[in-house]
Amino acid sequence: EAQVTQNPRYLITVTGKKLTVTCSQNMNHEYMSWYRQDPGLGLRQIYYSMNVEVTDKGDVPEGYKVSRKEKRNFPLILESPSPNQTSLYFCASSFSGTGNTEAFFGQGTRLTVV
Amino acid sequence: GENVEQHPSTLSVQEGDSAVIKCTYSDSASNYFPWYKQELGKRPQLIIDIRSNVGEKKDQRIAVTLNKTAKHFSLHITETQPEDSAVYFCAARVDYKLSFGAGTTVTVRA
Repeated sequence: EAQVTQNPRYLITVTGKKLTVTCSQNMNHEYMSWYRQDPGLGLRQIYYSMNVEVTDKGDVPEGYKVSRKEKRNFPLILESPSPNQTSLYFCASSFSGTGNTEAFFGQGTRLTVV
Repeated sequence: GENVEQHPSTLSVQEGDSAVIKCTYSDSASNYFPWYKQELGKRPQLIIDIRSNVGEKKDQRIAVTLNKTAKHFSLHITETQPEDSAVYFCAARVDYKLSFGAGTTVTVRA
């Protein structure tokens, strides 16, 4: 089954404790991205990757890191989480980052930083 | 960067009536405009999309229109049903960046 898988689904952590949210897709998609969803703000892009070893900042990259060492994986790293990073996070992938290609979303990760 | 504004933020319609959601975008280079539906507790899923060289697209009860000159696009849902209740997001893509509107919560009253 074609899918985007995120882990964990739920995470509660403390300020400053490094964490990684994993994202994996099995559709051989070139393009992957991370979004955060906050009430009243919609989905805001954090980082995206056009292909292996190629990443770029989205609209809200501060406090986040990503890597794309393999085509299928695109982990999101919070090296020193803060309470304002409490949010619902979605990973998405698409065949390419341009043109009219559908973005497939993971099931989401609800992160709480206390 | 691209700025996408979406209105209204909430919309309540009687079952069987039509629902219209409107979005505007700022970057004239945007060339792809998808609409996503997100049911409560679920992931966003694509329901319809339109390219910048197309003015209108229809899929059963859902249609999208695009006015490039005015830089706005709209989602039309006809004969609404209870299962249409969800949050709807518009988006616009320029280069590799996909920017979303803030969302519209649609409630269909039985």
